[in-house]
Amino acid sequence: AQRVTQPEKLLSVFKGAPVELKCNYSYSGSPELFWYVQYSRQRLQLLLRHISRESIKGFTADLNKGETSFHLKKPFAQEEDSAMYYCALGPGNTGKLIFGQGTTLQVKP
Amino acid sequence: NAGVTQTPKFQVLKTGQSMTLQCAQDMNHNSMYWYRQDPGMGLRLIYYSASEGTTDKGEVPNGYNVSRLNKREFSLRLESAAPSQTSVYFCASSEWGVNQPQHFGDGTRLSIL
Repeated sequence: AQRVTQPEKLLSVFKGAPVELKCNYSYSGSPELFWYVQYSRQRLQLLLRHISRESIKGFTADLNKGETSFHLKKPFAQEEDSAMYYCALGPGNTGKLIFGQGTTLQVKP
Repeated sequence: NAGVTQTPKFQVLKTGQSMTLQCAQDMNHNSMYWYRQDPGMGLRLIYYSASEGTTDKGEVPNGYNVSRLNKREFSLRLESAAPSQTSVYFCASSEWGVNQPQHFGDGTRLSIL
């Protein structure tokens, strides 16, 4: 079965602390993985995708096929990072996405 | 640049009423999608349209119908609304294919009493 699991509903950290939002996936093929973010009163938007291997707003995510994970990391959290984060899997050669349950990141001052 | 536009933003219905949610995109994308967002369940795909003239079921299609009116517009219809369909509905669009990012609208908050 194709599935994305984000085990934490809420992650609360202090400003300046490291952040890791966990994402595990279940898929037998070669996965396309994404992180989307929804800031308060804004649209859901793409944060980054594994194919690009880029860092956006200080966030990075590495695909670990052995552990079937795509965790999102940032070394020093900022208050403006507070948002809902969704991990998403794009199975097969299609445009469809399977989303995880989402993790709310709360960065305290 | 509007991107993906959804109407209405809010709606309250009574059980059994029908309703059409509208979505339009101005990015000339081939593919469009309808999701519902429920607490603790993330976004779940209801229906999608890979290209103009085609529609397919997603993960949770029961109780919904869709129409891809043209390349720009993709509507979602609830024929007989039920309380279980209370949710936030998001429309998205993208180019079809591998690793194409999806662009989302602001959402429609629908309550069914």
